[in-house]
Amino acid sequence: AQKVTQAQTEISVVEKEDVTLDCVYETRDTTYYLFWYKQPPSGELVFLIRRNSFDEQNEISGRYSWNFQKSTSSFNFTITASQVVDSAVYFCALSEGKWTGTASKLTFGTGTRLQVTL
Amino acid sequence: DTEVTQTPKHLVMGMTNKKSLKCEQHMGHRAMYWYKQKAKKPPELMFVYSYEKLSINESVPSRFSPECPNSSLLNLHLHALQPEDSALYLCASSQGDGGIYEQYFGPGTRLTVT
Repeated sequence: AQKVTQAQTEISVVEKEDVTLDCVYETRDTTYYLFWYKQPPSGELVFLIRRNSFDEQNEISGRYSWNFQKSTSSFNFTITASQVVDSAVYFCALSEGKWTGTASKLTFGTGTRLQVTL
Repeated sequence: DTEVTQTPKHLVMGMTNKKSLKCEQHMGHRAMYWYKQKAKKPPELMFVYSYEKLSINESVPSRFSPECPNSSLLNLHLHALQPEDSALYLCASSQGDGGIYEQYFGPGTRLTVT
């Protein structure tokens, strides 16, 4: 069975601080995909990144960066120089890599609420 | 364009009402999803349509009835709901063409059952 753990329920930082959101996953599959989504107060989930299990390269996109480590089953997300607009709930999610013709099922973590204040 | 639209944004209905939620995407995606999300919880998968056919039903009560009239549209028909069905209902779509792709979500319909 797949499982995603986001141990940090809530994090509060002051603007311009760096913050790392942790994600630990469990799966028996050798092929799988990891995702991060942002859910601002408006409610819509915004896709941030997809990473497959064969690609352990870290990724940077502007102030966002992701550290994927298979050895520790972790896919952590860092926001550099946080801003008030980063305040949201962030979900890490996992999908197995077997295509069954029934589309992908996401297993979500419980989410981390990030509050960035001035 | 990675937009998924949902209507209405808010819906209040009584337990004897019949209503429908609508979702639309024009990205050519062949997989569409309904999720239910309660406050401070992650989204829970309800239904998946793949190539306009229902492929996954996560043991959802029959008072929720999905429909996929065409590849761009997804409906969720609601009948005789219970107050505990009050939640944010999210629609999503993904390429669904033989690989595992990200899902794009709509803004959701916030449903209140009175």
